[in-house]
Amino acid sequence: EDQVTQSPEALRLQEGESSSLNCSYTVSGLRGLFWYRQDPGKGPEFLFTLYSAGEEKEKERLKATLTKKESFLHITAPKPEDSATYLCAVFSGSARQLTFGSGTQLTVLP
Amino acid sequence: DTGVSQDPRHKITKRGQNVTFRCDPISEHNRLYWYRQTLGQGPEFLTYFQNEAQLEKSRLLSDRFSAERPKGSFSTLEIQRTEQGDSAMYLCASSLAGSPEQYFGPGTRLTVT
Repeated sequence: EDQVTQSPEALRLQEGESSSLNCSYTVSGLRGLFWYRQDPGKGPEFLFTLYSAGEEKEKERLKATLTKKESFLHITAPKPEDSATYLCAVFSGSARQLTFGSGTQLTVLP
Repeated sequence: DTGVSQDPRHKITKRGQNVTFRCDPISEHNRLYWYRQTLGQGPEFLTYFQNEAQLEKSRLLSDRFSAERPKGSFSTLEIQRTEQGDSAMYLCASSLAGSPEQYFGPGTRLTVT
């Protein structure tokens, strides 16, 4: 059974204070690892897909990286509008749906 | 707007009543997924369709839940005899066959009183 664990559960940063969110996973036959952003009361918004170890993707202040066991979402010089819950999910060969972690709730203080 | 849409956005019902939610996927997407999300948790898979065929159902999907996608376009999720434990956000997502990238709608928030 696919498993995804995200840490920390919650993170408070000052504006401009860079940090990283962690997503560790156990799957059989990873076909993709996904990062989503979710604002309160809304559906998840797609950010990145990573397919193989060593791959990196960037979007504005966010950078996602992937190893064989975990992924990191690096946030550089965050702004208050980056406050949201960040969800990690995996898509494996044994399952045909996404398996999500519980998310990291990020708060960026001005 | 060409994204995934869901209706209604909010539903309050009394225990024991039946409710039905609708999802309209991105028009060219032939795969459609339903997930359930409770507070502080990530979405959990319920079921998915490729075109009109329901190909997989989670064990979370009890006999009180039924989903349809009659013409391979929009989908409905019905919950019969609702229970307080059914209170959650119900999310719909769609994708192209062969692509694992799923795009989510805004969700339907169900409250069972």
